[in-house]
Amino acid sequence: DQQVKQNSPSLSVQEGRISILNCDYTNSMFDYFLWYKKYPAEGPTFLISISSIKDKNEDGRFTVFLNKSAKHLSLHIVPSQPGDSAVYFCAASAEGTYKYIFGTGTRLKVLA
Amino acid sequence: NAGVTQTPKFQVLKTGQSMTLQCAQDMNHEYMSWYRQDPGMGLRLIHYSVGAGITDQGEVPNGYNVSRSTTEDFPLRLLSAAPSQTSVYFCASSYGGRGGGKLFFGSGTQLSVL
Repeated sequence: DQQVKQNSPSLSVQEGRISILNCDYTNSMFDYFLWYKKYPAEGPTFLISISSIKDKNEDGRFTVFLNKSAKHLSLHIVPSQPGDSAVYFCAASAEGTYKYIFGTGTRLKVLA
Repeated sequence: NAGVTQTPKFQVLKTGQSMTLQCAQDMNHEYMSWYRQDPGMGLRLIHYSVGAGITDQGEVPNGYNVSRSTTEDFPLRLLSAAPSQTSVYFCASSYGGRGGGKLFFGSGTQLSVL
């Protein structure tokens, strides 16, 4: 039972355009969400997070949107750069727990 | 500041062998966890700990043991390795474990079980 789903295994975007990565979750108890980026042969690195009391959080080129009623979050990268090419994971945790559940990842390729 | 250190980086085992993957962090984080990454499966939580002496199971705990005797160390033990345990293993730590407790990951251990 996959509680956090990233239904697009891969995405290609032209440099300078917007990249939109999507994530859906099934557990209504999740109230904190994170995005991670992973390069080959490295550990994942934190990008941005959002708590359920917000519907948007920005950090530079990265913005995360949360739609609680749809149980959906998305990561927008504007403008996309070739260095953004990586695998992106979304993760979620629920109040009162210490479990971070990750999605299956989306491989982003930014074309120069 | 080393962050989260995992050893070894690579390991090959034969079916039935046991081994311990080491994880150490120098950030005085209370929360530590182990994940495995498999193609098409993402990162799956194996075990986690919210402090010394406290551990709990994640999504895929079978075949693995953990203990947390110190804040710094969180070793993962494979009791009798199986080919299904071939994977990349990541250790992660966090200062708070909740809301704002972003995870810091090690660089991973690539394990092959023949």
